[in-house]
Amino acid sequence: EVQLVQSGAEVKKPGESLKISCKGSGYSFINYWIGWVRQMPGKGLEWMGIVYPGDSDSRYSPSFEGQVTISADKSTSTASLQWSSLKASDTAMYYCARQLRGESAFDIWGQGTMVTVSS
Amino acid sequence: EIVLTQSPGTLSLSPGERATLSCRASQSVSSSYLAWYRQKPGQAPRLLIYGASIRATGIPDRFSGSGSGTDFTLTISRLEPEDFAVYYCQQCGSSSLCSFGQGTKLEIK
Repeated sequence: EVQLVQSGAEVKKPGESLKISCKGSGYSFINYWIGWVRQMPGKGLEWMGIVYPGDSDSRYSPSFEGQVTISADKSTSTASLQWSSLKASDTAMYYCARQLRGESAFDIWGQGTMVTVSS
Repeated sequence: EIVLTQSPGTLSLSPGERATLSCRASQSVSSSYLAWYRQKPGQAPRLLIYGASIRATGIPDRFSGSGSGTDFTLTISRLEPEDFAVYYCQQCGSSSLCSFGQGTKLEIK
């Protein structure tokens, strides 16, 4: 079964760092782009960026460039999203998703990781 | 950056009725890179349509997508109870950068 399994919920304080993960299985991880999507409480979906595990090429939405780092480790079939200094406004659900080969749509989604940033 | 505007914001219909959801882009979008998703409460989104009109694996034929240029449509021919959810369109342009519309909530009338 093709699936993406994300790490568990996190509660952090402003200024702290964080790295959340997304492990792929059931397919050739290195051959598919993995993307990250933010959903703030009660709001819509926001496309953050994508990474290609085969060569670690990454692309960022202008809204998130410099705010987060998207990476992938092909040896563990794991993609990651990290922050160096969290803000309260980073409180959201974060989804990873696999991009269809040759397309731009996300066909397989992780279950989501809830990140709460509060003092 | 291409902005997608979905309408209406909320659509109130009854099971068995036909739903028509709109997605308008601020500039022309390649049909190859226009997708639709459904998100039920508490769940991750699910891909319905990609390439503007291609149904994803396992998606029933009551869902259809159409459009080109700046105007795209998702049609649900006969609403089932599980179709009452939020729908998002997504586009990807140059340099593989993408964006979502703000969503349309389909609620039971």
